[in-house]
Amino acid sequence: AQSVTQPDIHITVSEGASLELRCNYSYGATPYLFWYVQSPGQGLQLLLKYFSGDTLVQGIKGFEAEFKRSQSSFNLRKPSVHWSDAAEYFCAVAPRGDYKLSFGAGTTVTVRA
Amino acid sequence: DAGVTQSPTHLIKTRGQQVTLRCSPISGHKSVSWYQQVLGQGPQFIFQYYEKEERGRGNFPDRFSARQFPNYSSELNVNALLLGDSALYLCASSHESSGNTIYFGEGSWLTVV
Repeated sequence: AQSVTQPDIHITVSEGASLELRCNYSYGATPYLFWYVQSPGQGLQLLLKYFSGDTLVQGIKGFEAEFKRSQSSFNLRKPSVHWSDAAEYFCAVAPRGDYKLSFGAGTTVTVRA
Repeated sequence: DAGVTQSPTHLIKTRGQQVTLRCSPISGHKSVSWYQQVLGQGPQFIFQYYEKEERGRGNFPDRFSARQFPNYSSELNVNALLLGDSALYLCASSHESSGNTIYFGEGSWLTVV
């Protein structure tokens, strides 16, 4: 069965520290991969996506993600976190050529001063 | 260009009632999808429409229906509302020119009492 796993429910990080959010997927073939961020009471904003090519993907707000086929992972990173990065982060996958997204359960990021 | 717009933003309904949620995709986007996000969970796929035809349906009961209009806007209808239908309903649009990039609206908050 296809699935997306975000192992960390909640992460607390100090402002200025680095952040890494984990995402693992189970799919028959390499899907399209996405990271979205959701601020409280808001919709989803696309941070970055991976379709093919370079496995290190740059996104908005200083985020990047690395696709590792051997580990079926697509982890999100940011070198230095800002207080405004406090939000819910969702990893999502879609079959190639399809628009149906499957989401992980999300990781809540808290940033402490 | 305007993003994906949804209406209403918030609404309260009583069990057994019916609700209609509306979505206008980004200009030029022909694909519209609907997702349900229950509090504390990731979004779940409900429907996808492309050029007014249903292209996919998630694991939701027949009380949920949708349609897409010639101008590519869409409506999601839910009949015989249950308390468990209380959620954030997200609309997303996409276009071939953007690959499988899927853009979300701010959502419609539905509370069933």
